[in-house]
Order: sequence, then structure tokens, then C-alpha cells
Amino acid sequence: KQEVTQIPAALSVPEGENLVLNCSFTDSAIYNLQWFRQDPGKGLTSLLLIQSSQREQTSGRLNASLDKSSGRSTLYIAASQPGDSATYLCAVLHLSSGSARQLTFGSGTQLTVLP
Amino acid sequence: ETGVTQSPTHLIKTRGQQVTLRCSSQSGHNTVSWYQQALGQGPQFIFQYYREEENGRGNFPPRFSGLQFPNYSSELNVNALELDDSALYLCASSPPTGTAYEQYFGPGTRLTVT
Repeated sequence: KQEVTQIPAALSVPEGENLVLNCSFTDSAIYNLQWFRQDPGKGLTSLLLIQSSQREQTSGRLNASLDKSSGRSTLYIAASQPGDSATYLCAVLHLSSGSARQLTFGSGTQLTVLP
Repeated sequence: ETGVTQSPTHLIKTRGQQVTLRCSSQSGHNTVSWYQQALGQGPQFIFQYYREEENGRGNFPPRFSGLQFPNYSSELNVNALELDDSALYLCASSPPTGTAYEQYFGPGTRLTVT
């Protein structure tokens, strides 16, 4: 059974700091890994998707890496801003029961960037 | 191109009642997945529909059921509602396999059971 763990559960940093969020998963048989952002009471916003054959993806101040063999991914946020405050979720896409491809999510890291 | 839409946005039901949530998939997408997100947790996979058939299911009881229609839109039905069913319900659609596979999420339906 695939399990995804995110550390830390919560993080508070001053504005301008660079930070790293961690994600680990137990089964390396994945199609891809995705990082999402979720604001309070809202839905999911996709940030970055890394295919299983890729090592990293970048978008603006965000960089995500994937080490499939060790079951780890990191999300690096450069020069953090108060607007980055949100919960960040990591999810892996894998084969479920039957022929479904499902996402398994971690519980998220709640990030607060202080002005 | 219209993204994934869900209705209603919010819903309040009483324990024991039944509820139907709706999802319209993105154009060209033939697969719909449903997820439940309880407060403070990550989303949990409920089930997936492909070409109007359920092709995978998470650890949810049979009172959670679904449908997919010929236009690939979908419904999630929950019978005999319990307080613990209060959650954000997310629908995601995905394109045919063989392309860069990604699930695209709708904004969700917030269900409150009292």
C-alpha cells in the first residue's frame, strides 16, 4: 500500500528566506509526483508535476526534485513571500486496484511566511 | 477551454440523508476520479470512472457510489450520511492514457453533515 509522508507538518519562516519542504513515499512504482498548493477553504492548485523519468522541474521561484529510487521529493521555495503562505501537498500517481491510476496524498505542510 | 467544474459549491445535509454531487470533466478527458478531503488531512481516493465503468476504488464503503455519463460527466452519491462524511469532495478529470498523464482538479464541493 502506497503511503506518503510530509515533513514538517508546519513551518513558519520570515519573509525572504529560502525553504525546503520534504515528501517521502513507500512504493517507487509511480507514474509521476505532483506538488499542490491549497489555500484555506479552497481547492487544489497544481504547482509542479515531475514524471517518473525526470529528476526535477522548475517554475519561477519553485523547484521540485524527485529521487524515485529512494522514495523522496523536495520542494524548494526561493525568496519566500507572505503570499506563499498556504498548505503544500505532495501526491504520487500510481496504479490502484483494478486498472485505475490514483493519487495518494500526504497530509501536507502548512507554511506561514511572516512579513 | 473549460476546466473541471463541480456543483454545488456548498451543501448542508442532515445525518441519514442522501446527497448527490456533480462534476463536469474537462473537454477531451474521459476519466473522472473522486477524492474526499477531511479537515486537516490530504485528499483520499474514493473511486475512478472510465468509459462509464468504475475501474478502481479506495477504502470507502458501498454507500459511496458513482456514475459516469456518455459525455464523461460524473456524479458521486452518498447514502445514509454520517457526521464523518463532512468534508471537501474533489473531482478530477484526466485525458486518455498515452498522453502525459495528469489529473486536473475542480474547485470542490464542501459538504457539511449535521
